[in-house]
Parts: sequence; structure tokens; C-alpha cells
Amino acid sequence: TQLLEQSPQFLSIQEGENLTVYCNSSSVFSSLQWYRQEPGEGPVLLVTVVTGGEVKKLKRLTFQFGDARKDSSLHITAAQPGDTGLYLCAGNTNAGKSTFGDGTTLTVKP
Amino acid sequence: DAGVIQSPRHEVTEMGQEVTLRCKPISGHDYLFWYRQTMMRGLELLIYFNNNVPIDDSGMPEDRFSAKMPNASFSTLKIQPSEPRDSAVYFCASSSPGLAWDTGELFFGEGSRLTVL
Repeated sequence: TQLLEQSPQFLSIQEGENLTVYCNSSSVFSSLQWYRQEPGEGPVLLVTVVTGGEVKKLKRLTFQFGDARKDSSLHITAAQPGDTGLYLCAGNTNAGKSTFGDGTTLTVKP
Repeated sequence: DAGVIQSPRHEVTEMGQEVTLRCKPISGHDYLFWYRQTMMRGLELLIYFNNNVPIDDSGMPEDRFSAKMPNASFSTLKIQPSEPRDSAVYFCASSSPGLAWDTGELFFGEGSRLTVL
């Protein structure tokens, strides 16, 4: 069973602060996705990382895939209330299905 | 462009009743996935289809659950009989040719929130 552990489970910060959330596994993934889910909606894809050590930036969000393709991190700079939501990582092993972590619930207070 | 469309958005039913959830994937996507999300278990894959054919149903909880995809634009997830522990948000997701296999990128619907009393 491929397990993806996300940490922290909950994070509450003030607007303008920086934060990092982590996604760890003992399994190797061919690719990994980060999604954001808002209440009452489905997860929305933010980014896909494929290459070990890869870093991708999406405005204030920076995503990194571990060298061994077992872990990933998401760093948000100067968080805003609009960043509030559930952040999910999902690992893919070329088996046609993704394994999701339990998510990090982020609350950014104005 | 229309995204993945699910119906109903909310359903409240009594234990023992049949529940049917519906999904219309994004046109041209040949992979369709059914997920269930709960606070306790997170997002779980129930079953997925490729070109309307079920590929992996190992996540289906038990025989009370069944899923069909009669054509490329429609899928159903049926629970019969329903039980209170089936209460969850059920998501349908689709993916375009090649992507699901290579990168796992999924496009989700807004979900169907099921409450079984």
C-alpha cells in the first residue's frame, strides 16, 4: 500500500506569513500533483511535478519534488486569505490511479 | 468549456434506499474515476474506467456499490441498499488521453454530498 503522509494536518496563520506543507512517502512516484480544495467544491489541480529535484513556481507558491521522488513540499510566500483551503498531494505510479494524502487544512486570517 | 458535471449535488435518504449518483466527464477524456471523501478516510478511489471499461474496482467497499459507464459521456455510481456509513461526498473525475497514465492529472466535479439517515 502506498501511503502519502501530509504535515501539518492543520495550519492557521496570519495574512502575510510564509508557510511550508509537506508530503512524504516511502514509495517512489513517477509524478506527483498538488491540488487545492475549497469547501463545497472538488479539488483543483495546482501543479504536477515529474522530475526528481524539480522546482516549480506558481506566483507565490513554490513546489518541490524530492530527489528520490518520494516526497514533495509546497511553500507559500506572503499568504493571503484567498489561499485558505485544503491542500492535497497525490502520487502517481503509472498504474492509472493516484494515491491521495489526507491533506493540510490551511486557514489564513486577515 | 464545461467541466465534470455531477448530480445530484446533495442527497438525503433513509437507510435501505437505493442511491444513484451521476457524472458527465469532460468531452474527450477517456478516463473516469469515482472517489469518496470523508473526514476519517480522506479521498479514496472507488473505481476507474478507461474507454468506458472498468479497469480497477478494488476500492469499491462491497457488493452494495456498483458503477457503470454505458457511454463516453455518462457514468453512474449506485448504492443499494444504502447505509449510514455510506454518508460522504462522492467525486467524479476525468482525465484526457495519456495524462492519467503518464502524470495522473485529474479534473474533478463539484461532488455529490450523500447523507444516509
